Amino acid sequence: SYVLTQPPSVSVDPGQTASITCEENNIGNRAVHWYQQKPGQAPVLVVRDDTDRPSGIPERFSGFNSGNTATLTISRVEVGDEADYYCQVWDSTTDHPIFGGGTKLTVL
Amino acid sequence: QVQLVQSGAEVRKPGASVKVSCKASGYTFTYYYIHWLRQAPGQGLEWMGWLNPNNGDTNYAQKFQGRVTMTSDTSISTAYMELSRLTYDDTAVYLCARGDYGDPVDSWGQGALVTVSS
Repeated sequence: SYVLTQPPSVSVDPGQTASITCEENNIGNRAVHWYQQKPGQAPVLVVRDDTDRPSGIPERFSGFNSGNTATLTISRVEVGDEADYYCQVWDSTTDHPIFGGGTKLTVL
Repeated sequence: QVQLVQSGAEVRKPGASVKVSCKASGYTFTYYYIHWLRQAPGQGLEWMGWLNPNNGDTNYAQKFQGRVTMTSDTSISTAYMELSRLTYDDTAVYLCARGDYGDPVDSWGQGALVTVSS
């Protein structure tokens, strides 16, 4: 079955760039979506279809997907970006979404 | 604007069942799937299944088949998720979410904490 692998944690200094990866064989052939979840809150979609930002999401959030790795990049990281981030694809074989295990972003 | 409002926290004993509701507003209820996910304390998101309110079709994660039932009442734009034969491992926040087939989830409920305790 499809398994999306994310690093458990990523740390970055404020103002720097954070990269969060999501790995699976040939993930570049699928549309990848990214969610941000802050403590005690529901997730929020920050990138859809590999690269598109929903309305209201800062340009600092960007996505890329190729080969076996999809990447969410957060530029000029702010303290308020500290959250868990999840990648997600749709598995057309089983007809349902698959979520990665999540990555905790810590802003030092 | 799109809103999904879930029912409140519940406490159940092992072996019991729980039914969580999710009332939708701000869009045509039958136009989008409703997904149910859960999040155990300190853990990631776990997808449980989806319901198509337009025709009642469902797709459950294999882990929950036989134990979960997802339904809806289109007259009041409300979806329901019932989980039976609860164990301590079912203690989690249960989330409903809206999404079209094959598309990302774009709106979420606030979550409902279900605690299984004797």
